[in-house]
Order: sequence, then structure tokens, then C-alpha cells
Amino acid sequence: DTGVSQDPRHKITKRGQNVTFRCDPISEHNRLYWYRQTLGQGPEFLTYFQNEAQLEKSRLLSDRFSAERPKGSFSTLEIQRTEQGDSAMYLCASSLGPASGNTIYFGEGSWLTVV
Amino acid sequence: DQQVKQNSPSLSVQEGRISILNCDYTNSMFDYFLWYKKYPAEGPTFLISISSIKDKNEDGRFTVFLNKSAKHLSLHIVPSQPGDSAVYFCAASRYSGNTPLVFGKGTRLSVIA
Repeated sequence: DTGVSQDPRHKITKRGQNVTFRCDPISEHNRLYWYRQTLGQGPEFLTYFQNEAQLEKSRLLSDRFSAERPKGSFSTLEIQRTEQGDSAMYLCASSLGPASGNTIYFGEGSWLTVV
Repeated sequence: DQQVKQNSPSLSVQEGRISILNCDYTNSMFDYFLWYKKYPAEGPTFLISISSIKDKNEDGRFTVFLNKSAKHLSLHIVPSQPGDSAVYFCAASRYSGNTPLVFGKGTRLSVIA
């Protein structure tokens, strides 16, 4: 399967714990995005990378959130000191960039439940 | 402030009929529009897109129409099939893809056999 891969698919954690999600994009894609989706909402943009450079961060990305893409391939999204409001599906997507008109391809998502 | 709006949370259509999903946007700088389909517990799947230089784009049973003056786009599915039952998201970006996509809240389509 050469699509976007996310791990883990589900995570249940206690409030205050740290969690990390990993995303492996489609291999030739140089852009990688993180979105968050909660019930009844569409995907909300968090941040994106062009190769290893983080180009934009949303106001939704509080100080407790950090994303990295150290070698321009896979990416990690870490949430420190989780809160119940962090419970959501975290979606990773990748694209070829503007050459593709910014059509982005999503992974299956990582469900986070904070108890 | 919602820049992309899908005002119908849900829609039910008989199998074989046409499904029409609507989307409005407020940012006149948007110039690239997409529709995604999402099944429960899965990530959204790209369906079809349209650039602002066009007013229509077709792909099989799916057609997207863009009315720039009204800042409105619609997705037509014909004929509708039970497997089309899903949540459909409208998305938009500026500068031909140089900005991240902004999504609407989605419309849940139910196709009844």
C-alpha cells in the first residue's frame, strides 16, 4: 500500500500524559499536512511542511503541540500534557504541492481519546 | 469565521436519483475547490476538484459546478448509489494551491435503496 500511513490508529491516554503520532506520506510527496477533526466539524488545519521546513502553523496549534519532519520524509505530532479537549481524530495528508493544485491525500487518521 | 460553508448537515436521496450537495464560500481569493468523501472511522478520500478558471468539471458520475459570482459550488452525483452514503466535505484554497485547504463542516448523504 503506497498511501499515507498513520500510527497508531487509536490511542487512549490519561489527561496530562504526552502522546505522539507518526505519519508516513506518499513517497514522492514533498508536502505534509496535519489536520484535526472533531465530531460534526470538517478537518481543521494545524500545520504543514514543505520537505523538512515547517511553513505554516494554525492558531489551533497551542504550545503543547509540536510537529517535526526531520528528514523531509515521515513526520511526528506530539501533544504534551493532554487535555480532554484534545480528543479528536488527527489526520495526516500529503501532496505534491502547488503543481498538483494542492490536492491532498489523507491517511486513515489517528483517534485520540483523553480520559 | 467560517470561510467555507455547507449549510445542509444531511441529505437523503433515493437510489438512482440525483444527489446535489451545496457549498458556499466567503473568501474571494479562493481559486481551487475540492470535494472529499468520508466514511466513518476513515480519512477523507479525494473525489473531484475544480479550478476557478472553469465552471464545470466531470468525472464519471460526479460533476462539480462553480459559480464564482455567487461564490457557490455544488457536487452532483448521478445516479446515486447506496455506496455513495457518506459525509461529503467541500474544501477550498488560495493562490492555486499555495495555501492549506479550508474545509466546510460536511453534509451527510444517505442514499436509500
